[in-house]
Amino acid sequence: EDQVTQSPEALRLQEGESSSLNCSYTVSGLRGLFWYRQDPGKGPEFLFTLYSAGEEKEKERLKATLTKKESFLHITAPKPEDSATYLCAVPPQGGSEKLVFGKGTKLTVNP
Amino acid sequence: DTAVSQTPKYLVTQMGNDKSIKCEQNLGHDTMYWYKQDSKKFLKIMFSYNNKELIINETVPNRFSPKSPDKAHLNLHINSLELGDSAVYFCASSQRQGPRYFGPGTRLTVT
Repeated sequence: EDQVTQSPEALRLQEGESSSLNCSYTVSGLRGLFWYRQDPGKGPEFLFTLYSAGEEKEKERLKATLTKKESFLHITAPKPEDSATYLCAVPPQGGSEKLVFGKGTKLTVNP
Repeated sequence: DTAVSQTPKYLVTQMGNDKSIKCEQNLGHDTMYWYKQDSKKFLKIMFSYNNKELIINETVPNRFSPKSPDKAHLNLHINSLELGDSAVYFCASSQRQGPRYFGPGTRLTVT
C-alpha cells in the first residue's frame, strides 16, 4: 500500500508563475514529513522536515506546509534554477528511522 | 570539502561478477544509509547503520552485504550481480532522524 503519493507527476511553469506541489500520506501518528530536491544526476538535497499540522517552513522561494493528511510545497515566483524533482518522504507506520519516499514531482520552470 | 563521497561514480560490469561501492562522510554523523533508485526514479532504503551497528536491513537479497569499518565509512558489496541490480545507489548520512546528506550516487549497469 502506497503510504506517500505525490501530485502532479510533472509540472511545467513559466518563470514567475507560482504554484504548489502536493504530498499526501496515509500513515497515522506522523513522525515527520520530509521534503527533498533532486537535480538530474545528483543525490537528493534535504530541504525541510515538518512534524505537526499547521507547521510551516520557508527557504528562499519555497514554503512547505503540513496538515493532518497532506503537505504542500508552495513555490513563489519560481526561477529556472528551481527546476528539479521534488521528493517527499515519511517514516512508515511503526518505524521512525527509515523513510518511505514518494515518486516525486518533476518541476520545469521555463524562462 | 565533499560531505558524502562515493566511489566509483559509474560501474559497468557483467552478470555474475562481484563488485563493491565505497562511501565516506566527513560530517561526523552517527548514521549512514544505502538507498537504491531504480529506473523509475523510485528511492528505496536498503540498509542503515548507526555507529557501525546495523539498524535497518530491508528486504534485500543476501547477495548485498553492507560493511561499516568505522562510523565514517559504509561500503556495499554485491555478489553475483544480476541485470535487475542495475540502478543508482546512493549513500547518505545523518545526525538526526532521516537522511540529511546524500552522496552523488553510483550508477551501476549490469550487462
